[in-house]
Amino acid sequence: DVKVTQSSRYLVKRTGEKVFLECVQDMDHENMFWYRQDPGLGLRLIYFSYDVKMKEKGDIPEGYSVSREKKERFSLILESASTNQTSMYLCATHSTGGDDEQFFGPGTRLTVL
Amino acid sequence: GQNIDQPTEMTATEGAIVQINCTYQTSGFNGLFWYQQHAGEAPTFLSYNVLDGLEEKGRFSSFLSRSKGYSYLLLKELQMKDSASYLCAVSFDRGSTLGRLYFGRGTQLTVWP
Repeated sequence: DVKVTQSSRYLVKRTGEKVFLECVQDMDHENMFWYRQDPGLGLRLIYFSYDVKMKEKGDIPEGYSVSREKKERFSLILESASTNQTSMYLCATHSTGGDDEQFFGPGTRLTVL
Repeated sequence: GQNIDQPTEMTATEGAIVQINCTYQTSGFNGLFWYQQHAGEAPTFLSYNVLDGLEEKGRFSSFLSRSKGYSYLLLKELQMKDSASYLCAVSFDRGSTLGRLYFGRGTQLTVWP
């Protein structure tokens, strides 16, 4: 079974802090994704990565950056957290050569005060 | 993005049948996914359609019409545990090898006793 883990289920940070959200997968998947999910807006793609050190902007990259130094780990960085980044953050993975579905981590509920 | 539309909310009673519709733009369409998401949890994969027709999987079935840009998820013999959000997601040719999906906003299904 694919296992996707995220570093925290719940996180509380203050405005202006630098925030790191970590995602780790154990199935050697090439593609990894970061989404945020807000009521009424659904899942929105922030960034994705299709290889180590490669990244692509999604639909809402502003205020975020990412890092993929190793294949199994994809980090989402909020350089200076703001209250409008309070959200549920979901990481997902996908195997280029396998089935087409994405596998999701459990999510991190981030609150920025 | 990609004009993926699904109803915001639906309600039904235990034992009944419910159909959740999803429409999308047909240009560049590759495949369509349905995910189930319980409150506070990650989305889990339900079905994948790439060809026209009905795919049945136990109590759940998914239908696709490529030419009409239309899909539905059919849930039979509803149970209380089926209360969840159902997400329609589409892959398009341009992003399909990278696994990129475009999600609808989700349909919140409430099953009443």
